[in-house]
Amino acid sequence: DADVTQTPRNRITKTGKRIMLECSQTKGHDRMYWYRQDPGLGLRLIYYSFDVKDINKGEISDGYSVSRQAQAKFSLSLESAIPNQTALYFCATALEALDTQYFGPGTRLTVL
Amino acid sequence: EDKVVQSPLSLVVHEGDTVTLNCSYEVTNFRSLLWYKQEKKAPTFLFMLTSSGIEKKSGRLSSILDKKELFSILNITATQTGDSAIYLCAVIGGSNYKLTFGKGTLLTVNP
Repeated sequence: DADVTQTPRNRITKTGKRIMLECSQTKGHDRMYWYRQDPGLGLRLIYYSFDVKDINKGEISDGYSVSRQAQAKFSLSLESAIPNQTALYFCATALEALDTQYFGPGTRLTVL
Repeated sequence: EDKVVQSPLSLVVHEGDTVTLNCSYEVTNFRSLLWYKQEKKAPTFLFMLTSSGIEKKSGRLSSILDKKELFSILNITATQTGDSAIYLCAVIGGSNYKLTFGKGTLLTVNP
């Protein structure tokens, strides 16, 4: 079984809809991250969380919100989706700050 | 602002060639540099480099870090078509030890 899972794997939605992407992990890591990947732009950090009570904005948090429901779960929400949020979204986890990050399989989101 | 720059952005080679991928960085509070390989899915970890001048090696892949000149290289010898992927360089540093990614190098290995 995968250590880091993301649901859904693919989603097509319309402008203005609320969307939630979910991430779960069985690695027991405290640190969880959400990234988006766009062609030619690499991975950019949206939000990150060091534990359930510690959530921080990344470099591109506008238009997104997150919820850390438990150590194992970290959700990303788009309150009102817009087309330029079409991207591949990755969740990642890490044991400690200086540890490598382990990525989920990604969610491909298309906003029409 | 923390910055990681990879070059080249894309590269096409033939099987058996040797390639060198470059990564330079400007990051406050540098802690370590990581290389990932991304095929048609999630990035997978290759190397973590923390100390200058110590080569990390895994099969045909090797990497080294120069903390004085602020760069790292990833070498792949005797390339195979299965090496075709995006190679991502990332640096842990800045406030809260965030991971900053470069834009990646798209490597295509033709038979």
